Amino acid sequence: AAGVIQSPRHLIKEKRETATLKCYPIPRHDTVYWYQQGPGQDPQFLISFYEKMQSDKGSIPDRFSAQQFSDYHSELNMSSLELGDSALYFCASSTTPKGLGNTIYFGEGSWLTVV
Amino acid sequence: AQSVTQLGSHVSVSEGALVLLRCNYSSSVPPYLFWYVQYPNQGLQLLLKYTTGATLVKGINGFEAEFKKSETSFHLTKPSAHMSDAAEYFCAVTPGTDKLIFGTGTRLQVFP
Repeated sequence: AAGVIQSPRHLIKEKRETATLKCYPIPRHDTVYWYQQGPGQDPQFLISFYEKMQSDKGSIPDRFSAQQFSDYHSELNMSSLELGDSALYFCASSTTPKGLGNTIYFGEGSWLTVV
Repeated sequence: AQSVTQLGSHVSVSEGALVLLRCNYSSSVPPYLFWYVQYPNQGLQLLLKYTTGATLVKGINGFEAEFKKSETSFHLTKPSAHMSDAAEYFCAVTPGTDKLIFGTGTRLQVFP
């Protein structure tokens, strides 16, 4: 079965540079979530989109932005990168944002290292 | 606000022994609870979830969890540990929206 696809899987950037992560949700899933997992930390919710509109916002820095496109894929843009942004970034998808208890499926994650 | 607390950041068991990973939740509304597993350098995989109905939930790989409202718990168990169960396990709850709030995780080690 198709899963959530994230690219790139690994990314190395220097401080103050910009990075873009891409996420392709499971077909027919209309909701996308972004999570950040620091080393040895639990995943922290950043932001979510439903039908191309932001549906919820968590601890996403102002330096980060995200959007969902007409084909439902999503991109997380990170600017002015800091060493502390080094983390595993997960994208996840599900069907409908208000279906409480819907399973949220995660991608393999994108490793960002800022040097 | 909803939250989950996982007791014990590390749990070690022998192969064949009972696995018990503890999760307690805090919620002002009926919670929806999940257990995810993360193998080294991999993504999060759903083990099982509780929404409504039967309080004993069976998941993949022989894991199960029981929702106990009186104890605000959702502990994860497996009767007999296997070496391949070694991983990080996260308990999670959904608040009023669909996003997941994760616990801090429990690393399970299985010794031969």
